[in-house]
Amino acid sequence: KAGVTQTPRYLIKTRGQQVTLSCSPISGHRSVSWYQQTPGQGLQFLFEYFSETQRNKGNFPGRFSGRQFSNSRSEMNVSTLELGDSALYLCASSSHTWTGGADTQYFGPGTRLTVL
Amino acid sequence: DQQVKQNSPSLSVQEGRISILNCDYTNSMFDYFLWYKKYPAEGPTFLISISSIKDKNEDGRFTVFLNKSAKHLSLHIVPSQPGDSAVYFCAASESNTGNQFYFGTGTSLTVIP
Repeated sequence: KAGVTQTPRYLIKTRGQQVTLSCSPISGHRSVSWYQQTPGQGLQFLFEYFSETQRNKGNFPGRFSGRQFSNSRSEMNVSTLELGDSALYLCASSSHTWTGGADTQYFGPGTRLTVL
Repeated sequence: DQQVKQNSPSLSVQEGRISILNCDYTNSMFDYFLWYKKYPAEGPTFLISISSIKDKNEDGRFTVFLNKSAKHLSLHIVPSQPGDSAVYFCAASESNTGNQFYFGTGTSLTVIP
C-alpha cells in the first residue's frame, strides 16, 4: 500500500497570507490527524477528521482549520499567517473506527512551512 | 501543560549495548501508547505500541514496558545499531476520545559504532 502523502513538501509564505496543505491517507484509512512540530515543542495536535467530520480539536486559534473529503483526503488551512506558524506540519492516518479505541497512526513526510 | 514528558533530550550508547528511552505521563486516563522514530526531514515512523492491559510488548529488538502505577513507559532497544540513531517520540492517547495523541518532546539517540 502507498503511504501517507503530503503536498507540497515545502512552502514559503509571508505574514498575512494564507496557506492550504494537502494530505492523502493510506488507502482504506478514514481517520486523518494533523500535527504541528516546532523545535523544542514536539508534536502538537491540531485536529482529527473521520468520515468528513471533525472529531477532535487541539488548542490552536481559529486561524487553523481543516476539512476532509469523501475520499478521506484532507486539507488544512492557515489564514493570516504569523511568523510563529513556521513549522513542520504532519498528517497522520489510521484505520481507526468511529467507536473503536485509539489506533496506530502512520505519518506522512510533512510540509515544511516558512513564514517570512 | 505537557501531559507527556521525555526528560532526556539526548542519549548516547555504544553499538551492541542496550538503549533505554524513558517517557512519563500525567493523565491516568491514557490507555494506549506509541513509540515513533524520526529522521530529519521525514515524518515519524511507527515502531511499537502498547495498551494499558499489558505491561510489556516486544517486537524484534524493540521492547516497550508500561508501569501504570508510576505513569511511566520505556523503550528498550537491544542490541543498539548505528542505524537506530534518530529522535524517538513517545505518544499517549485516551482511547475513548478518539485518535488524539499527546507527544513528548523527543529524545535524540546516538549509537556510536
